[in-house]
Amino acid sequence: AQSVTQLGSHVSVSEGALVLLRCNYSSSVPPYLFWYVQYPNQGLQLLLKYTSAATLVKGINGFEAEFKKSETSFHLTKPSAHMSDAAEYFCAVMYTGGFKTIFGAGTRLFVKA
Amino acid sequence: DGGITQSPKYLFRKEGQNVTLSCEQNLNHDAMYWYRQDPGQGLRLIYYSQIVNDFQKGDIAEGYSVSREKKESFPLTVTSAQKNPTAFYLCASSYRQGNTGELFFGEGSRLTVL
Repeated sequence: AQSVTQLGSHVSVSEGALVLLRCNYSSSVPPYLFWYVQYPNQGLQLLLKYTSAATLVKGINGFEAEFKKSETSFHLTKPSAHMSDAAEYFCAVMYTGGFKTIFGAGTRLFVKA
Repeated sequence: DGGITQSPKYLFRKEGQNVTLSCEQNLNHDAMYWYRQDPGQGLRLIYYSQIVNDFQKGDIAEGYSVSREKKESFPLTVTSAQKNPTAFYLCASSYRQGNTGELFFGEGSRLTVL
């Protein structure tokens, strides 16, 4: 069965520190991969997406993610955390030709001053 | 501005009552979706529709119903048959032709059963 695994339901970093949120997917074919961000009581907003054009994908707010096929991973990083980055982050996958997006369980990011 | 409007934002329901959540989009998207969000479980697909007058069950359709009479609208009814309806409900839409999967979300509707 297709699935997305996000390692760590909660991640805490200090302001200015590196942010690393982990995502692994199960797949036998190259998928489309996404990271979404959700602020409290709001909908999800697309951060970035991988659609096979380049393995390193840059998104909004200084975030980027690298697609590693050999590791079936799509980890999200940001060099320096800001207080405004505190939110929940969802990794998601959709397979080509499909319409169902499968979401990970989410990782809540806390940023300490 | 184009976007997705969900209403109401907060809704309280007594057990045994049906309730309908509204979702309207002006993005000219063909496909629309309903997701349910519970803490620690991510988003789970309830129903989706690729075109008007057609929709398919998602992973957790039991106790829910939808209609797609207009391209812009995809209302979700939470029926009394849904055993645990208290949750945050998210409506989304996407392009159908050349679909690369990006979903556009509304602000959500929080349903609480009293």
